[in-house]
Amino acid sequence: QTLVTQEPSFSVSPGGTVTLTCGLNSGSVSTTEHPSWYQQNPGRAPRTLIYNTNSRSSGVPDRFSGSILGNKAALTITGAQADDESEYYCVLYLGRGISVFGGGTKLTVL
Amino acid sequence: QVQLQQSGPGLVRPSQTLSLTCAISGDNVSSDDATWNWIRQSPSRGLEWLGRTYYRSKWYNDFALSVKSRIAIKPDTSKSQFSLQLNSVTPEDTAVYYCVRGRPGSLHFDYWGQGALVTVSS
Repeated sequence: QTLVTQEPSFSVSPGGTVTLTCGLNSGSVSTTEHPSWYQQNPGRAPRTLIYNTNSRSSGVPDRFSGSILGNKAALTITGAQADDESEYYCVLYLGRGISVFGGGTKLTVL
Repeated sequence: QVQLQQSGPGLVRPSQTLSLTCAISGDNVSSDDATWNWIRQSPSRGLEWLGRTYYRSKWYNDFALSVKSRIAIKPDTSKSQFSLQLNSVTPEDTAVYYCVRGRPGSLHFDYWGQGALVTVSS
């Protein structure tokens, strides 16, 4: 079974930089998997941050950026703010119409 | 602005069928530039993409392997909405269910419904 892997938790200091990653248990992630990233706050629907590896969704601050780092997709937050404390999910497209979510990373800003 | 409004019962008995509907405004279920998805979220399974329907001269469906044998997603062009039916539910199907618009080129999800908690219990 193909699993999409994310760090369960991460912490960053206010103003700091953090990189969250998104991998595949079966191999490398590239632009072919069209990585996308979502932010979710408690009780709310997810919000799209990044799509197609590195395209920012409308209204998303430019401190959020996406990339491929090594064999994983990555979400970098540069200059973290208190309201970036949230859960972050990646999604990979695995072909034949199938998309799979990662398990999410809980980001703490402290 | 696209809006997705979900409706359906919040409680379903085990072995019965879970049914939800998603009404679309600001877009059309027959759009050739969108896919219409159902995604659920539970503490045990996290966020899970269930399936999608979309129109490209004819209707297509794709489903997650985990539910493929018991899921149906159907468009209703007269009301510009789409529905989810999940058969033979168990308590493991208890989750918040979201209807979501997908973008076919970039293969991401851009607009989400408000979410609906469906509990499977006797």
